[in-house]
Amino acid sequence: DIQMTQSPSTLSASVGDRVTITCRASQSINTWLAWYQQKPGKAPKLLIYEASSLETGVPSRFSGSGSGTEFTLTISSLQPDDFATYYCQQYNSYSPFTFGPGTKVDIK
Amino acid sequence: QVQLVESGGGVVQPGRSRRLSCAASGFTFSSHSIHWVRQAPGKGLEWVAYISFDGSNKLSADSVKGRFTISRDDSKTTVYLQMNSLRIEDTAIYYCARGQGPYSDQDAFDFWGQGTMVTVSS
Repeated sequence: DIQMTQSPSTLSASVGDRVTITCRASQSINTWLAWYQQKPGKAPKLLIYEASSLETGVPSRFSGSGSGTEFTLTISSLQPDDFATYYCQQYNSYSPFTFGPGTKVDIK
Repeated sequence: QVQLVESGGGVVQPGRSRRLSCAASGFTFSSHSIHWVRQAPGKGLEWVAYISFDGSNKLSADSVKGRFTISRDDSKTTVYLQMNSLRIEDTAIYYCARGQGPYSDQDAFDFWGQGTMVTVSS
């Protein structure tokens, strides 16, 4: 099975900061990677798919990059609505569709 | 608009069974794969099971293999998760989610339901 890791696990930042979250896969997943945002008590929301494609309706301050085993999610200028937990997920192999452990972005 | 509505959660004793439902609307149901994802209290997301758009492929996580079964009824635009031999560690919010598709099984999950809580406790 493909394992996913994320760093950091927690990130403290201020409004306006540029924020980068890293996700690594235990083997190559090409660009079959998604990023989700989850706020407390809510379902996850798709932000990025195929490593760098922005989901419809997602602000352009969110961007994704990478291929193979290393990926990043960047928020160019953190907004108050962006404080949340972010998960990466691989969907390269059918079993299983593994999520990373999550990165919590909180207020500095 | 796309909607996924889970139901069937509740408190269940260890070793017993429960069936969850995911009722879909607002899109061509038979064109999309559907997944179940769970989240234990205070924990991260865990993918549980998947069924392909045409029902021909089903997969489940090792943690539920042999205990949980996914199925779909296109006439009712509903996906089910039959959970047998429930354990304490199955306690979680269970979400259903749609594969982006259409007619694809290698997708991110673009729409999610609000989740249904399953508590396994004696």
